[in-house]
Amino acid sequence: DIQMTQSPSSLSASVGDRVTITCRASQGISNYLAWYQQKPGKVPKLLIYAASTLQSGVPSRFSGSGSGTDFTLTISSLQPEDVATYYCQKYNSAPFTFGPGTKVDIK
Amino acid sequence: EVQLVESGGGLVQPGGSLRLSCAASGFTFSSYWMSWVRQAPGKGLEWVANIKQDGSEKYYVDSVKGRFTISRDNAKNSLYLQMNSLRAEDTAVYYCARAGRLPHDAFDIWGQGTMVTVSS
Repeated sequence: DIQMTQSPSSLSASVGDRVTITCRASQGISNYLAWYQQKPGKVPKLLIYAASTLQSGVPSRFSGSGSGTDFTLTISSLQPEDVATYYCQKYNSAPFTFGPGTKVDIK
Repeated sequence: EVQLVESGGGLVQPGGSLRLSCAASGFTFSSYWMSWVRQAPGKGLEWVANIKQDGSEKYYVDSVKGRFTISRDNAKNSLYLQMNSLRAEDTAVYYCARAGRLPHDAFDIWGQGTMVTVSS
């Protein structure tokens, strides 16, 4: 099975900072990669699908890139409401594995 | 409003069984693949199972194969997860999620989750 890794596992940044999270698949998955945001105590929310397509209603400060094995989620200007854990997920074929998550908080 | 509402969670002894349900509303349930995802306390997300629109294809994570069964009733707009031979490591919040119209799609709608605790 394809394994998903994320880095860093956690980060602390200031409001307004540019934040980048990396997700890596152990084998190529084309662009079948989604990013989810889970705020503390809340339900996961789809942010990006097909590696770079923003889900409707998601702020434009979020963006995704990559293809194959290496993917990136970028928050262009971190806001207090972005405090959350971010997960990547492969969905090219079962198992639809999630990455271990990256916890983002405000410095 | 598009909505998924899970029910059926609770406390069960190791080796026991539980059936989770997910009621869908606000969209054409029969047009979508559906999924179950779980999250153990303080841990990350784990995909559990997917089912095709007509129930003809089902996929499971290795750790639940042979113990869990995903099913659906399109007439009742409902998704189910029958969980047998439960283990302590199955303790988690179980989320129902909409997985899209295609065989491989992201999970765009999530329920609020139902807690399953496996303990003696």
